[in-house]
Amino acid sequence: GQQLNQSPQSMFIQEGEDVSMNCTSSSIFNTWLWYKQDPGEGPVLLIALYKAGELTSNGRLTAQFGITRKDSFLNISASIPSDVGIYFCAGQPMEYGNKLVFGAGTILRVKS
Amino acid sequence: EPEVTQTPSHQVTQMGQEVILRCVPISNHLYFYWYRQILGQKVEFLVSFYNNEISEKSEIFDDQFSVERPDGSNFTLKIRSTKLEDSAMYFCASSEGPRYGYTFGSGTRLTVV
Repeated sequence: GQQLNQSPQSMFIQEGEDVSMNCTSSSIFNTWLWYKQDPGEGPVLLIALYKAGELTSNGRLTAQFGITRKDSFLNISASIPSDVGIYFCAGQPMEYGNKLVFGAGTILRVKS
Repeated sequence: EPEVTQTPSHQVTQMGQEVILRCVPISNHLYFYWYRQILGQKVEFLVSFYNNEISEKSEIFDDQFSVERPDGSNFTLKIRSTKLEDSAMYFCASSEGPRYGYTFGSGTRLTVV
């Protein structure tokens, strides 16, 4: 159905390392979004992707909308301690409606 | 930077009581949403609202839930008779259009006791 499988569930990396996480689905999505959530806060939009194959950067973040419309990845280069948090992918399904379906999240912890 | 404002930040209520969660979306946005996040779980869609009516709702959004835009700025979520399992973070969001990234508020933590 419209489930998003996000991996990895958690990561514990050294400061300065690059990070990669992804989301896949058996369904086609219209739009892919990547959010970051800090404890006790709402999700904050990092990158929005609207076209299949689109590759977009926001500072040290890069995300791509998969060509099949069924997947997306997010890369963070040269991680820093403030990158800690939970990263969620979210997609808008192709059928009518503009709800977001969220992945389960990737918890990122950075060792300084 | 424009933001979505939610009040209260935390609400504790007794089971069976009615609660109203309030949101002020970004002023030029036309689409409004409520999502919830049970502790430690993913964010789940509840309802979307456009042109003064519900455009889509999930299975979670049953007869106990209702939304309203009582004036030009507020957007509210009412839970008529709260249950223990309604305890969660409730996020309001708004967007300019159906294919724009949403802006989320900071959430209301609802605790039903």
